Amino acid sequence: TQLLEQSPQFLSIQEGENLTVYCNSSSVFSSLQWYRQEPGEGPVLLVTVVTGGEVKKLKRLTFQFGDARKDSSLHITAAQPGDTGLYLCAGSPNTGNQFYFGTGTSLTVIP
Amino acid sequence: GAVVSQHPSRVICKSGTSVKIECRSLDFQATTMFWYRQFPKQSLMLMATSNEGSKATYEQGVEKDKFLINHASLTLSTLTVTSAHPEDSSFYICSASWGQVTEAFFGQGTRLTVV
Repeated sequence: TQLLEQSPQFLSIQEGENLTVYCNSSSVFSSLQWYRQEPGEGPVLLVTVVTGGEVKKLKRLTFQFGDARKDSSLHITAAQPGDTGLYLCAGSPNTGNQFYFGTGTSLTVIP
Repeated sequence: GAVVSQHPSRVICKSGTSVKIECRSLDFQATTMFWYRQFPKQSLMLMATSNEGSKATYEQGVEKDKFLINHASLTLSTLTVTSAHPEDSSFYICSASWGQVTEAFFGQGTRLTVV
């Protein structure tokens, strides 16, 4: 059982389209992180959200933390082929010090 | 920024042998280290959480006698895959954190192939 469920699992879109990835849990998190991973490499941190309702922007990427701190979303505007990769949400639930990853969203942006 | 180094990056071993993977925090003291396993096109599955000087906490379904974790110092944790079999072939990644866990820093990963 995964503590963090992501949707969609796979996404293939044309260059220039917008997309949203969701990360949901029944647990409360003190903070959530979003990572992007390339094949054969470790995850690279994109952003950390810590406050319920918080919105952070990183160029064409917009991250939101749910009011109850149980969910988060990643929105990409005008996707580019360079955005292709595995996107992962992750965090440590309030109940412990483990650090769990979401189920992952594999994004392919077609030129 | 916090740097975590994982070694080796790739290893091929024969079935029945043991393999040790090292994870080092280079510029900070890691009070907590995490070990993950990842299959192709899938997410990272937490195997165990280790705190310096104490026994690792294993996730359900992970054999602690199969995957030995040692976190003897604040800068080094090791994962030993004992009596490796082909089904243990995978990508193993460590991460490290300090204090209350709010963010983790990752090693480069180790590709283990058991033949």
